[in-house]
Amino acid sequence: QSVLTQPPSVSGAPGQRVTISCTGSSSNIGAGYDVHWYQQPPGTAPTLLIYGNDNRPSGVPDRFSGSKSGTSASLALTGLQADDEADYYCQSYDSSLSTVVFGGGTKLTVL
Amino acid sequence: QLQLQESGPGLVKPSETLSLTCTVSGDSSLSTGSYWGWIRQPPGKGLEWIGTIFSDGRTYYSPSLKSRVTISVDTSKNQISLRLNSVTAADTAVYYCARQRSAAMVYFAYWGQGTLVTVSS
Repeated sequence: QSVLTQPPSVSGAPGQRVTISCTGSSSNIGAGYDVHWYQQPPGTAPTLLIYGNDNRPSGVPDRFSGSKSGTSASLALTGLQADDEADYYCQSYDSSLSTVVFGGGTKLTVL
Repeated sequence: QLQLQESGPGLVKPSETLSLTCTVSGDSSLSTGSYWGWIRQPPGKGLEWIGTIFSDGRTYYSPSLKSRVTISVDTSKNQISLRLNSVTAADTAVYYCARQRSAAMVYFAYWGQGTLVTVSS
């Protein structure tokens, strides 16, 4: 049971928009800690996709965007492409557990 | 460009100690004020933070693993090491080392490719 809750799976057709939610609590996202997102294609290591809630590292296309409100955060992908198929993880910090926390991951399927 | 490479035994017996090394190259490697983490991922499951070490040797561990984990740094060799003792099958996972952005910005911008460690007799 992850401290940050993500839907197990989402799907969308090429060109469509999908969002992935990340729900936390008052000791992590709600306490003001930043949310970060990682993309992990099958069989590969995670790569940083969004940092500090809504910032993209250089090289990440602007089809990817992040947002945060209250105790939740979201990752949005527009213009879905086949190579967006991957697992996506949110990450933050939890002050009551004193630990870095990850969401359980969301598998994105491009139909 | 910063590169991280994990290495170590792929098979460890139950109750023994798992030992891994992460060798860092490029981009000033283990520079002063840098932060390095270990994260693991059991097969088919999600990511779990193990701990973080600062380049000055200060460490922060996951409370759930703290009693069994030691992370150390050797700046002369540009290496970060992970030791996890008294392992069980539940410790079977891909182990990643990663560079944490800073003390305040707790995210991991660079990752190694990971190494699978299986705990089995």
